[in-house]
Amino acid sequence: GQQLNQSPQSMFIQEGEDVSMNCTSSSIFNTWLWYKQDPGEGPVLLIALYKAGELTSNGRLTAQFGITRKDSFLNISASIPSDVGIYFCAGQPGGGSNYKLTFGKGTLLTVNP
Amino acid sequence: KAGVTQTPRYLIKTRGQQVTLSCSPISGHRSVSWYQQTPGQGLQFLFEYFSETQRNKGNFPGRFSGRQFSNSRSEMNVSTLELGDSALYLCASSLPSGGTTGELFFGEGSRLTVL
Repeated sequence: GQQLNQSPQSMFIQEGEDVSMNCTSSSIFNTWLWYKQDPGEGPVLLIALYKAGELTSNGRLTAQFGITRKDSFLNISASIPSDVGIYFCAGQPGGGSNYKLTFGKGTLLTVNP
Repeated sequence: KAGVTQTPRYLIKTRGQQVTLSCSPISGHRSVSWYQQTPGQGLQFLFEYFSETQRNKGNFPGRFSGRQFSNSRSEMNVSTLELGDSALYLCASSLPSGGTTGELFFGEGSRLTVL
């Protein structure tokens, strides 16, 4: 089945630093999404990308949909302590399986105040 | 607007038992998806329902089943529980049009422990 490789697995940074994480896939996705999960909560959608090459921002977050449709990255600028959590990429294929998301294994982000 | 509500939040079962989890989607959302989250496998798709019909199913054994009611509420059932079924079960609802965007709104999950 489809697999998403998300890296890095974890990051430990200082408050104020920028963060970058990415996902790659062996197959094409029509939609890329980035979610954040806090402890004891369900994932929350941060950014959704629908077109190859699309670059979208949401506050301090910026994400891009790769040209090949097989990759995406998420940048967080000027990190703050509340950015702590697990970040997941997710891809949605086209066609008959368009109702399910394939998730990466997540990037655990720790921000040192 | 109330979010996705899942009950129960926590439950403990023993091997061989069965369990039913409930999900109430955001008002007006007609699509409900279920995901299993474990430390080893991450988030894995179980199934998705729209208008009481299962539209897509993940790679799980037949012990995992679900259904959706006319008010869009959904339940999932796991029969003959195994230790490996211990996980956080997440329900998500999406746009009322039943469209195929990935903009899922997740509940807080039901944490199942199988002893």
